[in-house]
Amino acid sequence: KNEVEQSPQNLTAQEGEFITINCSYSVGISALHWLQQHPGGGIVSLFMLSSGKKKHGRLIATINIQEKHSSLHITASHPRDSAVYICAFPTGTASKLTFGTGTRLQVTL
Amino acid sequence: GAVVSQHPSRVICKSGTSVKIECRSLDFQATTMFWYRQFPKQSLMLMATSNEGSKATYEQGVEKDKFLINHASLTLSTLTVTSAHPEDSSFYICSANKQGIGYEQYFGPGTRLTVT
Repeated sequence: KNEVEQSPQNLTAQEGEFITINCSYSVGISALHWLQQHPGGGIVSLFMLSSGKKKHGRLIATINIQEKHSSLHITASHPRDSAVYICAFPTGTASKLTFGTGTRLQVTL
Repeated sequence: GAVVSQHPSRVICKSGTSVKIECRSLDFQATTMFWYRQFPKQSLMLMATSNEGSKATYEQGVEKDKFLINHASLTLSTLTVTSAHPEDSSFYICSANKQGIGYEQYFGPGTRLTVT
């Protein structure tokens, strides 16, 4: 069983829709990252959270440490939100990241 | 704050030559930097962990003599791809941990290497 699973793998939404991306993991962690990668490659760290909920603009991230689950929500989605969204968490003393497989989001007009 | 830069953003080189990629933390000190490579539509693959002032730790299957990593200061790590071959063509990304804050990791914009 993979340590981390993301769902869905691919997601197409219309502009304005509310989007949820899920990340489930099987190991104990102390923090989780949500990352965004646009076509062309650069990675942006959206959130790092260890409990509860964080909000930045139209993006909301939640985590339930006991249930080993995190979600990323996008409200009022826009075509510029089209990207791959990846959850990741540090493991070991070197803080190496374990990455989810990513969710490819396409928002259409 | 917490900006990581990479240079160059794109590089094309001929087979057999060496290419150096720089990763800089611009507004913080990074005791640890990570180097990743990414093939199209695949996840990031960790190549090595770079610690300031010491030798890098390479992941299994990564040739340390081919991918030379130097972390000479708290703000700069370099990856040199030696004797590059077309199969080394990939997207290389670095990330950096803020000193003293182990879990905050910031990513560079990546370098696209094409070996002809």
